Amino acid sequence: EDQVTQSPEALRLQEGESSSLNCSYTVSGLRGLFWYRQDPGKGPEFLFTLYSAGEEKEKERLKATLTKKESFLHITAPKPEDSATYLCAVTYRGSTLGRLYFGRGTQLTVWP
Amino acid sequence: EAQVTQNPRYLITVTGKKLTVTCSQNMNHEYMSWYRQDPGLGLRQIYYSMNVEVTDKGDVPEGYKVSRKEKRNFPLILESPSPNQTSLYFCASSSATGEEKLFFGSGTQLSVL
Repeated sequence: EDQVTQSPEALRLQEGESSSLNCSYTVSGLRGLFWYRQDPGKGPEFLFTLYSAGEEKEKERLKATLTKKESFLHITAPKPEDSATYLCAVTYRGSTLGRLYFGRGTQLTVWP
Repeated sequence: EAQVTQNPRYLITVTGKKLTVTCSQNMNHEYMSWYRQDPGLGLRQIYYSMNVEVTDKGDVPEGYKVSRKEKRNFPLILESPSPNQTSLYFCASSSATGEEKLFFGSGTQLSVL
């Protein structure tokens, strides 16, 4: 069973069409939730860390939010250069530091 | 420049021929880890290390070995590779303080024939 579930698997948006990606986690005792961006053929690149419900972080057209069960990555007025796979990962209070669980990712395509 | 360096970038080998993928970071990070990425399965943690001489298993450790003899290096060893280990491998590092932000290497595409 996946610890982290991301939806949708793939999302196609027209340039300027805002939307949200979802990341839900199954185990209680979240210590931290992370968002990464991955371009084809490259390693993931860090975007945000969220630690507590209600927390929000923003970077350019991206805004990440966290509730007790899930996180959303909101993309406002996306541009073609936002096309990438977005990965969510979590760590839990009960597990060893460094132990990280990734979701399968959402592949975002933004067309002009 | 802060970076995680993996080598080689591409590797084709045959079943049973021992290989090592190297990983080095220049940021004095305590944590280092190895992941494999397969289509439809996402990133899965193989092994991770909290510091020198301290390592632990991740989701898919079978068939892999690691060692952390120096803080900057964390090699991944496949003693007898099999075709099901064909995958894209990433090394990552992070500091024990601050945001727990992972820095990833560029990846190693391994094919085992």
